[in-house]
Amino acid sequence: KAGVTQTPRYLIKTRGQQVTLSCSPISGHRSVSWYQQTPGQGLQFLFEYFSETQRNKGNFPGRFSGRQFSNSRSEMNVSTLELGDSALYLCASSPGVTGKETQYFGPGTRLLVL
Amino acid sequence: SQQGEEDPQALSIQEGENATMNCSYKTSINNLQWYRQNSGRGLVHLILIRSNEREKHSGRLRVTLDTSKKSSSLLITASRAADTASYFCATEVNSGYSTLTFGKGTMLLVSP
Repeated sequence: KAGVTQTPRYLIKTRGQQVTLSCSPISGHRSVSWYQQTPGQGLQFLFEYFSETQRNKGNFPGRFSGRQFSNSRSEMNVSTLELGDSALYLCASSPGVTGKETQYFGPGTRLLVL
Repeated sequence: SQQGEEDPQALSIQEGENATMNCSYKTSINNLQWYRQNSGRGLVHLILIRSNEREKHSGRLRVTLDTSKKSSSLLITASRAADTASYFCATEVNSGYSTLTFGKGTMLLVSP
């Protein structure tokens, strides 16, 4: 099976702009989770989607949002970008049925906000 | 907030030596997973140990879990230069949700 894919891999934006990142899970996986990784805060959970519904959400402002489509692909959007949003954004997929399965991560999207 | 805390923050060893990393966490868990990350790339899943398991092996990896102490350790035996990476423990605490809470990681450097 193909692994988790994320597009784009690199992105440069300026403050105030918005950005949309995409994640395609492993075929058959219905859960997609998003994480932000920064040197200061480490890996932090953003949100999880399962069957097109947000099932869990981390402690991030409302500027961070996401959605999941019927084919389980997911997008996350960050509006009104701030310098502190510069990070590696990782998505992970799992079957999602029991919530106890291994999560498989994509290569990440590195976002730089200038 | 960080659930897991890895120790040490950084570890430098020679090829062939064993590397041990520890992880402590705060709340009851469903399972604990270890991941490897090379140079800020994606995370590679190494091993998952469930809360009712005490030890698990996978190739050169050995993971232990002590739920009474809320701690886990990852042992890499006979390390290789290719093992150079950051290692993270992650805990899953909410039944039914696929949510991981990560520690800050241990940076492992294996010198030839």
